[in-house]
Amino acid sequence: ETGVTQSPTHLIKTRGQQVTLRCSSQSGHNTVSWYQQALGQGPQFIFQYYREEENGRGNFPPRFSGLQFPNYSSELNVNALELDDSALYLCASSLLGISSYNEQFFGPGTRLTVL
Amino acid sequence: AQRVTQPEKLLSVFKGAPVELKCNYSYSGSPELFWYVQYSRQRLQLLLRHISRESIKGFTADLNKGETSFHLKKPFAQEEDSAMYYCALTGGGNKLTFGTGTQLKVEL
Repeated sequence: ETGVTQSPTHLIKTRGQQVTLRCSSQSGHNTVSWYQQALGQGPQFIFQYYREEENGRGNFPPRFSGLQFPNYSSELNVNALELDDSALYLCASSLLGISSYNEQFFGPGTRLTVL
Repeated sequence: AQRVTQPEKLLSVFKGAPVELKCNYSYSGSPELFWYVQYSRQRLQLLLRHISRESIKGFTADLNKGETSFHLKKPFAQEEDSAMYYCALTGGGNKLTFGTGTQLKVEL
């Protein structure tokens, strides 16, 4: 059983560009959540995908979008990058079921720098 | 709106001393509360959740609904407890709201 993986580890973009971050869920998990962690802050919920459908969204603009694939891997896309988008982006997978909360397992993150 | 407040950015204690990491929350319903930990060069991981009422690595946390607090405690700090600790809550659906974190440093 493998844990949550993310790629790339880090990348540098310039303002106005677009970026795609990738996440591979832990085996057997059907839900993926994305978080943004700015320097010195806690992770902030962006959105969640369950069985390829968006299942909740935080206070982020539409230029943040995502996909979940049949194998439960996921992408986070950010268009028209702004300097404030510089952050660590975390992916977390879980098995959503009848319980109110199921433990989320986090990936190592992708460090995005926008110049 | 839901919010988690961790008033201390850094908490430094000596080995063997008691530890208390403070967490206060704001939520209109009945949330679930958690403590997550991130050790150096490791990924964020769940330490404990309030409904489990268990002690993990000697840490406990009691939910006080009257004071809307969920402080993390350990009677005797160990060097390996040095890490970043985040308090978090969810109102359901696996969507976590995190605090800003407290860096715990255990000195010898």
